[in-house]
Amino acid sequence: KAGVTQTPRYLIKTRGQQVTLSCSPISGHRSVSWYQQTPGQGLQFLFEYFSETQRNKGNFPGRFSGRQFSNSRSEMNVSTLELGDSALYLCASSLVSRVEQYFGPGTRLTVT
Amino acid sequence: AQTVTQSQPEMSVQEAETVTLSCTYDTSENNYYLFWYKQPPSRQMILVIRQEAYKQQNATENRFSVNFQKAAKSFSLKISDSQLGDTAMYFCAFMNPSGTSYGKLTFGQGTILTVHP
Repeated sequence: KAGVTQTPRYLIKTRGQQVTLSCSPISGHRSVSWYQQTPGQGLQFLFEYFSETQRNKGNFPGRFSGRQFSNSRSEMNVSTLELGDSALYLCASSLVSRVEQYFGPGTRLTVT
Repeated sequence: AQTVTQSQPEMSVQEAETVTLSCTYDTSENNYYLFWYKQPPSRQMILVIRQEAYKQQNATENRFSVNFQKAAKSFSLKISDSQLGDTAMYFCAFMNPSGTSYGKLTFGQGTILTVHP
C-alpha cells in the first residue's frame, strides 16, 4: 500500500505570495492532519480534516487554511507569506479512529 | 492543555548497546495515547511505538520498548541492540482521543540520537 505523498517536496516563494501544498493520504484513510516543523518552535499542529470537514484547528493565524476533498486528499493554503512561514510542512493520515498517524515526507517551504 | 517534555536534547550510544530516551507529559485526562516517532535525516517521520493509557502492560516492538509510568506521567523509550540506522531525531507525542483533540498530536522538543560504530 502506498504511503502518504506530499507535493511539491520543495518550494521557494517570496514574501506576500500565497502557496498551496497538497497531501494524498494512504488509501482508506479518511483523516488528514497538518503540522508545521521549525527549528525554533518544533512540531506544531495546524489542523485536522475528517470527512471533508475541519474538526480541529491549532493556534495559527487565518492566513493558514485548508480543505479536504471527497477522495480524502487535502490541501493547505498559506496566504500573504511571511519569512517566519519558512518551515517543513508535514501531513499525516489516519484511519477512522484518527489515533495512529502516518506521515508523509513533507514539503520544505522557503520564503525569501 | 497537554504538554510533552523531552529533557535530553542529544544522546549518543555505541552500536549494539542499549539506550533510553526520556519523556514526561502533563495532562488531566485519563484516556489518552502516547507515541514515539523517529525522524531520520531524510525527514520522514516514522511511527515507532504506541501505548494506550488504559493498558498497564508496556508496549514492545522488536528492539523498541517503553516504560510507561502513568502515575508519574513518564513514558521512556528503550532501544536495545542499537543499530546505525537508529540514528535520528526521536519525538515523544501525546493524543487525547476526544472531542476537538481528535487528530491532534502534541509533540515534545525531540531528542537527537546518534549511534556510533
